Amino acid sequence: QKEVEQNSGPLSVPEGAIASLNCTYSDRGSQSFFWYRQYSGKSPELIMFIYSNGDKEDGRFTAQLNKASQYVSLLIRDSQPSDSATYLCAVIPYNQGGKLIFGQGTELSVKP
Amino acid sequence: DTEVTQTPKHLVMGMTNKKSLKCEQHMGHRAMYWYKQKAKKPPELMFVYSYEKLSINESVPSRFSPECPNSSLLNLHLHALQPEDSALYLCASSQDKTSGRASSYEQYFGPGTRLTVT
Repeated sequence: QKEVEQNSGPLSVPEGAIASLNCTYSDRGSQSFFWYRQYSGKSPELIMFIYSNGDKEDGRFTAQLNKASQYVSLLIRDSQPSDSATYLCAVIPYNQGGKLIFGQGTELSVKP
Repeated sequence: DTEVTQTPKHLVMGMTNKKSLKCEQHMGHRAMYWYKQKAKKPPELMFVYSYEKLSINESVPSRFSPECPNSSLLNLHLHALQPEDSALYLCASSQDKTSGRASSYEQYFGPGTRLTVT
């Protein structure tokens, strides 16, 4: 079982819709969870982080964490073509001293 | 300010060359990282420096040699690379990796160096 799993996509949504990106992780003791956005040919950009169960909102982005289900998600409201990118879920497992474990990434395409 | 800078942006080198990649951050971060990323794959951790000391080496071949001259700078020295080492090399930094505070672990990436080995 992979430590962090994401659907590879591509996920295609129409402009203005809500895009929902999902991620599961295997280490139950994980404490820190991150979402990175990566445009083709560019480096990953940290867009959300969440440490406690529940929702965290920042503009059009909402991160949701459910530690009991070992599940973290990212919702993008009012999706724009500029949101088209690969979204990487990353987790720091327990006692790994800050070592990020990445999922394979989900490719999102927002169609005008 | 969450800026990490990397030079050069692009590098083409032969298998017998020696070159270096440079990374700099001025956020006061005390942990710095080198990652390698191949196309359509997530970043793979290579090395971690914490308080200027090498703390993690993910079994990287010795043709890659990291160096941390001070808390703001990180270098990656390259020698006798193979064509399969061609990739995007990413530097990242975070406040800390030892404090135990979750907020210390947010890693910010530089723009990367696109390396081609011929």
